[in-house]
Amino acid sequence: GQQVMQIPQYQHVQEGEDFTTYCNSSTTLSNIQWYKQRPGGHPVFLIQLVKSGEVKKQKRLTFQFGEAKKNSSLHITATQTTDVGTYFCAGLWTPLVFGKGTRLSVIA
Amino acid sequence: KAGVTQTPRYLIKTRGQQVTLSCSPISGHRSVSWYQQTPGQGLQFLFEYFSETQRNKGNFPGRFSGRQFSNSRSEMNVSTLELGDSALYLCASSRGSTDTEAFFGQGTRLTVV
Repeated sequence: GQQVMQIPQYQHVQEGEDFTTYCNSSTTLSNIQWYKQRPGGHPVFLIQLVKSGEVKKQKRLTFQFGEAKKNSSLHITATQTTDVGTYFCAGLWTPLVFGKGTRLSVIA
Repeated sequence: KAGVTQTPRYLIKTRGQQVTLSCSPISGHRSVSWYQQTPGQGLQFLFEYFSETQRNKGNFPGRFSGRQFSNSRSEMNVSTLELGDSALYLCASSRGSTDTEAFFGQGTRLTVV
């Protein structure tokens, strides 16, 4: 079945360092979504990417969709303690299929 | 507008019992999906309902079932509970057509002892 692989599984960074998580699919995605789940919370939608090669920015977050629409990345510049949480990508095959997430820890 | 509401928030059940979880989606959302979340396994898809019909089903045993009512509220049922069913069960609603952004509830934390 469809699945998305996410790496790394865990990432520990010093506050102010950059962070990147990668998402890969074995099949072409119609679109990809990113969610953030804070510790003890529920996943919250961040963004959706639809077009091949698309790049979107939200303040310090940069999202990219690969040219072949099989991979995506989320990059956070100058991490802050508020960035702590697990970041999930989700491929839309109806339903959404989530990767296992990347848990980000930020050391102040 | 009100978000997705899941009840109860916490449950403790004994092996062999059954449990019913409830999810009230955002008003106007016709799609409700259920996910099981366990440490290290991410969000595993259980099933999706759209306009009272099960549209997709994940790879879970038949002990897991669900339904959706005409007001879009959904329930999921787990029969003959096993220790491995302990997890956070998340419900997500969306408009269900071309607008697929999922809005999650707070989840129900099920502990099977």
